Amino acid sequence: GAVVSQHPSWVICKSGTSVKIECRSLDFQATTMFWYRQFPKQSLMLMATSNEGSKATYEQGVEKDKFLINHASLTLSTLTVTSAHPEDSSFYICSARRDFQETQYFGPGTRLLVL
Amino acid sequence: KQEVTQIPAALSVPEGENLVLNCSFTDSAIYNLQWFRQDPGKGLTSLLLIQSSQREQTSGRLNASLDKSSGRSTLYIAASQPGDSATYLCAGIYNQGGKLIFGQGTELSVKP
Repeated sequence: GAVVSQHPSWVICKSGTSVKIECRSLDFQATTMFWYRQFPKQSLMLMATSNEGSKATYEQGVEKDKFLINHASLTLSTLTVTSAHPEDSSFYICSARRDFQETQYFGPGTRLLVL
Repeated sequence: KQEVTQIPAALSVPEGENLVLNCSFTDSAIYNLQWFRQDPGKGLTSLLLIQSSQREQTSGRLNASLDKSSGRSTLYIAASQPGDSATYLCAGIYNQGGKLIFGQGTELSVKP
């Protein structure tokens, strides 16, 4: 159990377009989901924490108007990169956590390339 | 500032060798520490989680230790195999329900 999926796994888009990435917990209810960004050869940097039914909490330096996060249900969170630019090209990974548990279960990641 | 550091950034060993990966953290008031494996272009797989009250955890050929006083954790891999080749990340949590703070990772290559 505890499987997290992401869709799409790969996306290429033109500069200025918006891209939506989905994160789903397939076999458990996730009260909290996290969104990370990873640049090549670097570690994961937390972008934001989202709790079901409430607004996401963004890390310092992350633009909330650019990276829109919605956690509308206990199994789905979405990250929308608005007006994407080449510098937004990165590997985006989500994780999900059950209520009252510490373990985060990670999705397989979404690679975004903005041309 | 709470930081997690991993050295070396890359390590190459011959198959069969026992090896140790290092992780250090700046704040000894750590709540728990996790070790993850990441294959190229993939997400993370949790390997071991050590609570602050524990000194070590074992899973198969893997053994992770935690020394809060020195701010260090190690991941010991016994009898390494080519399939162990991946990037290994350690991450600390400083309070219950808190966020993971990741190290930069060690890229391990096990040569047949």
